[in-house]
Order: sequence, then structure tokens, then C-alpha cells
Amino acid sequence: AQKITQTQPGMFVQEKEAVTLDCTYDTSDQSYGLFWYKQPSSGEMIFLIYQGSYDEQNATEGRYSLNFQKARKSANLVISASQLGDSAMYFCAMREGPSGTYKYIFGTGTRLKVLA
Amino acid sequence: GAVVSQHPSRVICKSGTSVKIECRSLDFQATTMFWYRQFPKQSLMLMATSNEGSKATYEQGVEKDKFLINHASLTLSTLTVTSAHPEDSSFYICSAIPGQGSYSNQPQHFGDGTRLSIL
Repeated sequence: AQKITQTQPGMFVQEKEAVTLDCTYDTSDQSYGLFWYKQPSSGEMIFLIYQGSYDEQNATEGRYSLNFQKARKSANLVISASQLGDSAMYFCAMREGPSGTYKYIFGTGTRLKVLA
Repeated sequence: GAVVSQHPSRVICKSGTSVKIECRSLDFQATTMFWYRQFPKQSLMLMATSNEGSKATYEQGVEKDKFLINHASLTLSTLTVTSAHPEDSSFYICSAIPGQGSYSNQPQHFGDGTRLSIL
């Protein structure tokens, strides 16, 4: 079974509009972490935002926010006021396992294209 | 802060050559670094977890003798692809976590990746 599921292989959004990229996860751990990374065509992985499983508030970082719904096991990324430079591949990732033996699992990614 | 440098960014070499890729944490110490492989249009596949001063932990299906990992200091891990063949051509990317690696809540910080092409 997939531990991290990103159901949208590709998304389009008009410049200046908001977009939501979906991510659901599967874990039996009580303590875990959720991350979003951006990978432009040049290949580097850029950390965007982090949500801990015990964090009660949704994480926000500038134009990025994470819509964390623990009961539904979803951690969707919301990008507000999209810019052309946001066009990239976006990966959702989860850290699970006991402290000292953390494992990181990545989803299959969503390719976002921002239209002018 | 939290910059990871990966070198070289691109390698093209003949079949049978061994290739070494370096991953350095520039402004922090990292007890744990990770090595990933990424095929075109696919996700990252974890190859191994590199721990400073001890043997790397390889994921199932990854050949230890093919992909040699050395993590000799708190700021440097190397991946050597030994006797590379065309099927080893891929994008290899490393990451490091500040602080006590596997005990840390901090995110992984990635290098820019190495595009390896074996002719």
C-alpha cells in the first residue's frame, strides 16, 4: 500500500490564483512529520513547509500553507497568489518511525504549471 | 542556512568507470545523510542512509558493493558508483539533516543532484 499518495499527476493554475495540491498519508505512528518539497526542472529539491503530527495549528510559510486534517490523514499544500516561478514538481513526504531510526517516504509528485 | 553542496553536478563517462559523488553540508554538521536515486518523471527512491562513523544502511535491492558510501566526517558523505554501466545512468541526489540526524525533527536539506550518464 502506498504510504504517501498524491493523486494529481499534473495541475494547471492561472497566475495570481490559489491552488491546492493533495496529499494523503498512511501511518500507524502517533508521532510523524509531513513535508512538502518543490523540484524545479533544474533538479534541486527545495524544502517548503513542515507539519508535525502534534502541531495543532496548520503550518504556514509565506505563500505556502499546509491544510492538515489529521483524522482524514491528509496534508494538502495550498499555494496562494501563484507565480510563474511556482511551475515545478511538488513532492509530499512523511517522516515516520521511532526517533533514531526515522524513515522518509516520498509521494509520486504533482507537476504544477502556472499559466500567464 | 542549511546549505548542502553536491559535486559534480553532471558526469558523463564510459562503461566500467567508477564515479565518486560528494555531498557536503556547508554550514551545519550532519550525523545522517541520505542518498536517493531518481528516474525521469518519477519520485525519489531512497538508496541508503549514511551515518557518520559507521556503515551505511542500504535499502532492499540496492547493491552495497555497487554503491559504496563513506561518511567519514560530520560534513561529508560520498557515494561511489563502482564499475558503472548504462543502467546506472540516473539522477542521484543527497540530503542531510542538521543536528542528530535520525533523532531530528528538522527537514532534509538537499544537494542540487548529480546527473550521471554512462555511455
